[in-house]
Amino acid sequence: NFMLTQPHSVSESPGKTVTISCSRSSGSIASNYVQWYQQRPGSAPTTVIYEDNQRPSGVPDRFSGSIDSSSNSASLTISGLKTEDEADYYCQSYDSSNQVFGGGTKLTVL
Amino acid sequence: EVQLVESGGGLVQPGGSLRLSCAASGFTFSSYWMSWVRQAPGKGLEWVANIKQDGSEKYYVDSVKGRFTISRDNAKNSLYLQMNSLRAEDTAMYYCARFLEWANWFDPWGQGTLVTVSS
Repeated sequence: NFMLTQPHSVSESPGKTVTISCSRSSGSIASNYVQWYQQRPGSAPTTVIYEDNQRPSGVPDRFSGSIDSSSNSASLTISGLKTEDEADYYCQSYDSSNQVFGGGTKLTVL
Repeated sequence: EVQLVESGGGLVQPGGSLRLSCAASGFTFSSYWMSWVRQAPGKGLEWVANIKQDGSEKYYVDSVKGRFTISRDNAKNSLYLQMNSLRAEDTAMYYCARFLEWANWFDPWGQGTLVTVSS
């Protein structure tokens, strides 16, 4: 099995742009879709990005996803940060029948 | 509106058993894979199990193999997780989620049911 590694925490000011990385330990990041979930305190996760770079309806275009084969990682970028974006963010991918989540990144908007 | 509502959580002693349920509505339940994902207190998300539309394929994380069984009743639009030989490390919020297998994507998620394994 592989691992997905995320920074434990990031912080940025309102209006700025932040990028959260998700590094895959083995196997190609490009071989399997990556999803990103937002989890606010006390709530269930919700999808902000699926299939590497697709946004579900209702998710603002301030959220974008990408993958980089050279670093074997995925990234979630949030532009025009708002205080409501403060949450935990998890990347997720898979390998055959196993589903793997990253450890999560706590985003603080201050 | 797609809705998933979990129930059945509670306090159980180590070695005990518990059965979780998830009631689905707002979509054709029998057309989708379904999943359980858990989150220990203050920790990250961990996938637990998946089940195919007709129940013919089931997959588990290694740590629960042989102890947990995922099942479904399409006539009742319900998903289940039978948990046996429970351990302290199984303490977590358990979420039911629809699994979109073409992208291996969990969406949406229920609000979760809390399982606490303690003596």
